[in-house]
Amino acid sequence: EVQLVQSGAEVKKPGATVKISCKVSGYTFTDYYMHWVQQAPGKGLEWMGLVDPEDGKTMYAEKFQGRVSITADTSRDTAYMELSSLRSEDTAVYYCATGLSMGSWFDPWGQGTLVTVSS
Amino acid sequence: EIVMTQSPATLSVSPGERATLSCRASQSVSSNLAWYQQRPGQAPRLLIYGASTRATGIPARFSGSRSGTEFTLTISSLQSEDFAVYYCQQYNNWPPGGTFGQGTKVEIK
Repeated sequence: EVQLVQSGAEVKKPGATVKISCKVSGYTFTDYYMHWVQQAPGKGLEWMGLVDPEDGKTMYAEKFQGRVSITADTSRDTAYMELSSLRSEDTAVYYCATGLSMGSWFDPWGQGTLVTVSS
Repeated sequence: EIVMTQSPATLSVSPGERATLSCRASQSVSSNLAWYQQRPGQAPRLLIYGASTRATGIPARFSGSRSGTEFTLTISSLQSEDFAVYYCQQYNNWPPGGTFGQGTKVEIK
């Protein structure tokens, strides 16, 4: 069974950095892209960026460029999303999701990680 | 950036009835469109990709279609577990992860 298991909820202060992990099982980690999606409370879905675990290449949405870093550790079959200079508007659930390619549907998704930014 | 507009925002339907959800793209996305279901407190689940292909394990009561830049998700006979929020996503154009519609909530009438 293909599974993406994310790390637990985080509470951070404004200006801090958060790093979320997404561990893959049930398929070859390097065969698919890993995408990250943000969902603010009561809001819709917004694509943040992706990593190709095969070569580590990344692409980011303009909105998050400069604050987000997505990496992949093939020795651990785990992807990471790091978001810096946190502000209250970054309070959201963050999902990792597998994609066949850069332009692709997402399936499956991780269970989500809630990040709360509060002073 | 392509804008995806879903309608209606909320759809009230009785169990057993048919639900029709719409998603319009601001420009052509070919058939590179997916639909997701999100139940409260859960991650989105892929229902349809390529505008009309059901994902693995998705019941046949879910179907998708395309007419130009207009896309439709039809749930033929609503079951209790189908009351949820549905999102469309285009993955044809920048950004690489595509863009999502704002969602349609299907609620019990």
